[in-house]
Formats: sequence, structure tokens, C-alpha cells
Amino acid sequence: AQSVTQLGSHVSVSEGALVLLRCNYSSSVPPYLFWYVQYPNQGLQLLLKYTSAATLVKGINGFEAEFKKSETSFHLTKPSAHMSDAAEYFCAVSGTGGYQKVTFGTGTKLQVIP
Amino acid sequence: EAGVTQFPSHSVIEKGQTVTLRCDPISGHDNLYWYRRVMGKEIKFLLHFVKESKQDESGMPNNRFLAERTGGTYSTLKVQPAELEDSGVYFCASSQDRGSYNEQFFGPGTRLTVL
Repeated sequence: AQSVTQLGSHVSVSEGALVLLRCNYSSSVPPYLFWYVQYPNQGLQLLLKYTSAATLVKGINGFEAEFKKSETSFHLTKPSAHMSDAAEYFCAVSGTGGYQKVTFGTGTKLQVIP
Repeated sequence: EAGVTQFPSHSVIEKGQTVTLRCDPISGHDNLYWYRRVMGKEIKFLLHFVKESKQDESGMPNNRFLAERTGGTYSTLKVQPAELEDSGVYFCASSQDRGSYNEQFFGPGTRLTVL
């Protein structure tokens, strides 16, 4: 069984400030981990993924996340927030192997304050 | 290349009515998934098709939900009869079969409101 916990349903940051969205996972098998983003009125877009290669993963739009097995965490960061980063972010986990359903967290809405 | 498309984008129906949601996956993607997000909660897996066959339907909430994928192309998800708790956003995703990791590409979702 797998699960994901995202701390904070809403996060507000000032433009230019560090973005940190927290995610902890639980998995009985080695996981694949993902961050998805949903901009208003759009579908889910893959931001970045961890698939057992490098533990520090870089994604689109300057985001990155670090897989920490000892802490079962996969926090998402961005050094400097931009107004266009305002969206809802979902952490997700799946098992490895080709046909794996994705288990999502409850999402974190990021507000960027000018 | 066109992404995953879903129709309609919004649907408002009354309790007891029937609604059919459609998903067109990316061309050539054998895997098709349905997910649902009920208001304020997590996005939950409903089922997975490989071509026209149901590979995993463990997330289907009850027998009021019927998913089909005739011919292994587009898929429909029918809710009959709809209940208030069926309101939410229904996402479809598709992926290729490439072995150990198959990225799922998501559609924009269908927002269903049951009154």
C-alpha cells in the first residue's frame, strides 16, 4: 500500500522568496515519486519525477525535489517564487514497473504575493 | 501531437440522471487511466485499461460506474444513476508501454456537479 501526505493545503510566499512544499510518502516497495502542477482551468502537468536515479531531481520552471529515503520525504523547492508559480501542486507516488496507478496527496495551493 | 482530451469540460446534472464522460488518449497509448477528485480531497485512482481490457478496476466506487474502452481507443465513463457524492473532477490519463516507467499524461478533467 502507498500513501502521500502533503503538509499544508495552502502556502503563501512573497514573490522572490523560497518556495518549499512538503511531501512525505509511505510505500511498501521502492517508489517512484512525482510532483504534478495544475494551473487554473488546466490539466495536471508533470513537474518532475524520481525514478531511482539521482536523488536530487530537477524539473521544469526552476523547481527541484530531493528524495530522502531515511526521512521518506520528497519536498519540492524553488529558490525564487514567481507570480506564474501560483497553482495547485500535487505530490504523488507509484510503484515501479510499467502498469502502476498513481497515488496522490491532497494538494497544496501556492499563492504568490507580489 | 495532441494531448489527452476530455469531454465535456463541465457537466451539471440532477441526482438520478445519467452522465457519460469521454476521454481520448494520446494516439498510440495503450494504457488509459481514470481518476477522480472529490472536492477538497486527493485525486483517487478509479481504473486502468490496457487497450480494451480492464487491468485494474479496484478504485471504482460502486456499480453505478461503468467504464468502457471499445476498440482500445477512446474511453467512456458512465455514471448511472448519479448521486450527490459523485460530484468532483474526473481526470483521464494515458501512457505508452515502455517498460519500467511509463509517464502518465493527464487530460484537463471533467468537472461533474450533481444537484
